[in-house]
Amino acid sequence: QKEVEQNSGPLSVPEGAIASLNCTYSDRVSQSFFWYRQYSGKSPELIMSIYSNGDKEDGRFTAQLNKASQYVSLLIRDSQPSDSATYLCAVQDNNNDMRFGAGTRLTVKP
Amino acid sequence: ETGVTQSPTHLIKTRGQQVTLRCSSQSGHNTVSWYQQALGQGPQFIFQYYREEENGRGNFPPRFSGLQFPNYSSELNVNALELDDSALYLCASSLRIGEGIGYTFGSGTRLTVV
Repeated sequence: QKEVEQNSGPLSVPEGAIASLNCTYSDRVSQSFFWYRQYSGKSPELIMSIYSNGDKEDGRFTAQLNKASQYVSLLIRDSQPSDSATYLCAVQDNNNDMRFGAGTRLTVKP
Repeated sequence: ETGVTQSPTHLIKTRGQQVTLRCSSQSGHNTVSWYQQALGQGPQFIFQYYREEENGRGNFPPRFSGLQFPNYSSELNVNALELDDSALYLCASSLRIGEGIGYTFGSGTRLTVV
């Protein structure tokens, strides 16, 4: 069974702080990794993708991937109340099968 | 360019009934995936269609079936509804098949089985 594990939270950070979200996966053949944001009652929206070991930055978001440790993370700098949402980690293998973790609920307090 | 649209937005069915959910993929997208998301859980993969053929299936029973049409729109059919089928059903389209391609999700259909 291919597993994607996330800490369900809730994770609470003050406005302006760095929020750190973590994800581990069990399938070593996984090649592509995604972070989706899901507001309450809404559908997931893609915010970051990463395919190679290391860091990838996009504005206030940084995705980090370590394939040897089967670990992917998302850092949100200068967190804003509008960042309060559930963040879903998704892992895709070479069969195009995309599996999601249960999500981490983030609350940014003003 | 339109996004992914799903219909209906909400649906209430009785246990044992059948339901059909519909999805229109984003313009130019030929791959559609369906997910079930229970409250407080992540989306669970049901199946994927690529150019009208099923291209992968998750751990769901055969009473979950689907179709993709020549215009790449898609249907999810669920027979013999059970109470546990109550969930948000998400359709996601992608530009093409293959790894590294992110999905665009529709707004979902909230199904309640009573």
